[in-house]
Amino acid sequence: DTEVTQTPKHLVMGMTNKKSLKCEQHMGHRAMYWYKQKAKKPPELMFVYSYEKLSINESVPSRFSPECPNSSLLNLHLHALQPEDSALYLCASSQVGTSGNTIYFGEGSWLTVV
Amino acid sequence: SQQGEEDPQALSIQEGENATMNCSYKTSINNLQWYRQNSGRGLVHLILIRSNEREKHSGRLRVTLDTSKKSSSLLITASRAADTASYFCAPQGGSEKLVFGKGTKLTVNP
Repeated sequence: DTEVTQTPKHLVMGMTNKKSLKCEQHMGHRAMYWYKQKAKKPPELMFVYSYEKLSINESVPSRFSPECPNSSLLNLHLHALQPEDSALYLCASSQVGTSGNTIYFGEGSWLTVV
Repeated sequence: SQQGEEDPQALSIQEGENATMNCSYKTSINNLQWYRQNSGRGLVHLILIRSNEREKHSGRLRVTLDTSKKSSSLLITASRAADTASYFCAPQGGSEKLVFGKGTKLTVNP
């Protein structure tokens, strides 16, 4: 069982809606990640937070807005999305470090934009 | 950061057989990780091998690393239907970024 919890598991939203994906971990990890995964494709890194500060933004469109309110929580705010944004959104966490840390993934949130 | 390239892209075997999948990468690394993803689920960490290690075992998994050839292999012995999943490698240099290749889709037929 994963120790990274994502809610909701499924979300359907219109292109004018504002919604949020939530992620929580209680492993004491100080690095948290958002990945996006389209069908039959590998996960693509979107954002990395390190000590609650955004450290990596992989040129993600501004309609995706991450937020890390504390060391256990990571949100992804969604606004004015397009149908092509429909995907599985994966949250993950790890110890902070330049490399060599196991990354723990949640089960993902399935997003459908209509 | 860099991306590994898994080969083959798809592999179908019978239960009880061994499955071998390979990963190649382009630049020097500190370590390489393997992950498994069951259909529609999150990724699960399988094993991490550091650049100064040549081989590592975990249960039915055996990972090798050849830094001179910039390649790694994942061997699953005595496969089971439950091993059906996509397998991703992620080579890491000095960055916290973990980037995944296209993966190998393994199907184990009962």
